Amino acid sequence: DGGITQSPKYLFRKEGQNVTLSCEQNLNHDAMYWYRQDPGQGLRLIYYSQIVNDFQKGDIAEGYSVSREKKESFPLTVTSAQKNPTAFYLCASRTRGGYNEQFFGPGTRLTVL
Amino acid sequence: SQQGEEDPQALSIQEGENATMNCSYKTSINNLQWYRQNSGRGLVHLILIRSNEREKHSGRLRVTLDTSKKSSSLLITASRAADTASYFCATVPGMDSSYKLIFGSGTRLLVRP
Repeated sequence: DGGITQSPKYLFRKEGQNVTLSCEQNLNHDAMYWYRQDPGQGLRLIYYSQIVNDFQKGDIAEGYSVSREKKESFPLTVTSAQKNPTAFYLCASRTRGGYNEQFFGPGTRLTVL
Repeated sequence: SQQGEEDPQALSIQEGENATMNCSYKTSINNLQWYRQNSGRGLVHLILIRSNEREKHSGRLRVTLDTSKKSSSLLITASRAADTASYFCATVPGMDSSYKLIFGSGTRLLVRP
């Protein structure tokens, strides 16, 4: 089955720790995205990558880092510099061309203890 | 930054009734999309309307776009309990080549059996 997987589904972090959220897709999509969603709100763009080995900051990149070493993978690291990391994190991808319809993973809920 | 604002924020209807959600945006767009999100899940793409289109249908969904008013509406006809979810509009800015999606804050729809 083609799709996007995110792991883990739930993640707990102690203050001061870095954590890495996984996002993998087997849709052969070129572009991948990371969004943050806070309760009752829409999605805000953290980082995006249109091709391998290249990525750009979104609207709320501070305290986050990414890498894009493989087309299929776009991991997100939430660093200790992110002051309020508790949120729902969504990964998405899209194919080249088209109208930017995005396919989303199931999300990771991160809670800081 | 969030370009779209949705109205109402929450909507409760009886099964079989129609549900209408509205989205307003601020800048010129290439296209506008609607997504659905079930509680605690990822987003699912529903329908896309291009800036040169005024109306589009897909099953029980009808989307309209008024670029002069910078607004769109999503109509779900003959609603079902399974339609209970949050609905988000998302725009692709007209002059932006980065292919970012900018999401609204969403409408929470409850369909009562």
